[in-house]
Amino acid sequence: QVHLVESGGGVVQPGRSLRVSCAASGFTFSSYGMHWVRQAPGKGLEWVALIWSDGNNKYYTDSMKGRFTISRDNSMNTLYLEMNSLRAEDTAVYYCARDRGSGGGSYFSAMDVWGQGTTVTVSS
Amino acid sequence: DIQMTQSPSSLSASVGDRVTITCRASQSITSYLNWYQQKPGKAPKLLLYAASSLQSGVPSRFSGSGSGTDFTLTISSLQPEDFATYYCQQSYSTPHTFGQGTKLEIK
Repeated sequence: QVHLVESGGGVVQPGRSLRVSCAASGFTFSSYGMHWVRQAPGKGLEWVALIWSDGNNKYYTDSMKGRFTISRDNSMNTLYLEMNSLRAEDTAVYYCARDRGSGGGSYFSAMDVWGQGTTVTVSS
Repeated sequence: DIQMTQSPSSLSASVGDRVTITCRASQSITSYLNWYQQKPGKAPKLLLYAASSLQSGVPSRFSGSGSGTDFTLTISSLQPEDFATYYCQQSYSTPHTFGQGTKLEIK
């Protein structure tokens, strides 16, 4: 059974760092691109970042570039999002999601499996 | 970045109605358009990818069309479980931006 489980959310002070994780099971993790998507309270979905299956290519939304880092450990079937210099506006539910493919190459990318989300609250 | 604009932002309809939601991209995205459904407190669910390809397990009352900049999601006969928020998303280029969402409510 394909499964993604996020963890690591919590309350963090502005300017501090936090790393959230996403544990994958039920599929060959190393074959798929992976995304992070966030949703602020009462707001819509915001795409955060993508990492290719081999971890060699990473893409970010401009507003998070330089502050957020997506990474993966294919030996541990785990995806990460390291968030630095956190701001109140980063408060959101953070979802990890699997891409239909490897992340690179010519195909129609979409997010076909999602975790349940982990909540990050940035507040003093 | 490519901007995605959905209309309407909210919609009231009845069980059995045919409903159409529109999504417009700020530039051509050919067919790199996905649709998701989200219910309160739950993760989004992929409905359609590549503008018109139905994701496995999704009922056939959901359909999508369009290419270039204009796209539609159609639900042919609304069921009680379809009342939710719908998002379009482009995957033509990063960042893979979402529309602002369309909330479908019961009339």
